[in-house]
Amino acid sequence: GAVVSQHPSRVICKSGTSVKIECRSLDFQATTMFWYRQFPKQSLMLMATSNEGSKATYEQGVEKDKFLINHASLTLSTLTVTSAHPEDSSFYICSADREANTEAFFGQGTRLTVV
Amino acid sequence: QKEVEQDPGPLSVPEGAIVSLNCTYSNSAFQYFMWYRQYSRKGPELLMYTYSSGNKEDGRFTAQVDKSSKYISLFIRDSQPSDSATYLCAMARNDYKLSFGAGTTVTVRA
Repeated sequence: GAVVSQHPSRVICKSGTSVKIECRSLDFQATTMFWYRQFPKQSLMLMATSNEGSKATYEQGVEKDKFLINHASLTLSTLTVTSAHPEDSSFYICSADREANTEAFFGQGTRLTVV
Repeated sequence: QKEVEQDPGPLSVPEGAIVSLNCTYSNSAFQYFMWYRQYSRKGPELLMYTYSSGNKEDGRFTAQVDKSSKYISLFIRDSQPSDSATYLCAMARNDYKLSFGAGTTVTVRA
């Protein structure tokens, strides 16, 4: 199967700082990448859809100024959590779709802890 | 009402038993159906993917889709302790956005 690499796997940051999470498709080009947030024992909640070369589409209730998404190339999307607060602590997961295919392959996830 | 309903379990079975997982959905626009396996603190891993009603088999895994009843199932035969994980159903419309079930936590006892 396709490989999606997400980095870092775990990060601890202080309140008020910003954290960048990278999502890379290693062996295919991903025209679309998705960012999810997962709370303990809950399912994945879609935050935004990222298309290469265009602005991300955010789901209702997700602050686009707080969760900055950049999809600069067909293999890389980044999520930056700006001015992080403890309530932003969560498990963030990206996924990438192969072109014209709904098989989404997920990254390993990033555990963000804001202290 | 959630778009996708999945019994969160937990489900505990002895090694070698058949694991049966189910999801129901309310939106007839869903076209693609998937099952993911997620180990603790890891990203989901795609297990099965189908887009039509009927059965699809892959090794010990069988996925069933019944679009008329809006019901999908995943069966794991000859379950192993390594199958212990959370299983998520997911489905998508033509826009490819996935809607997930809550996940069912499965424990296979040795």
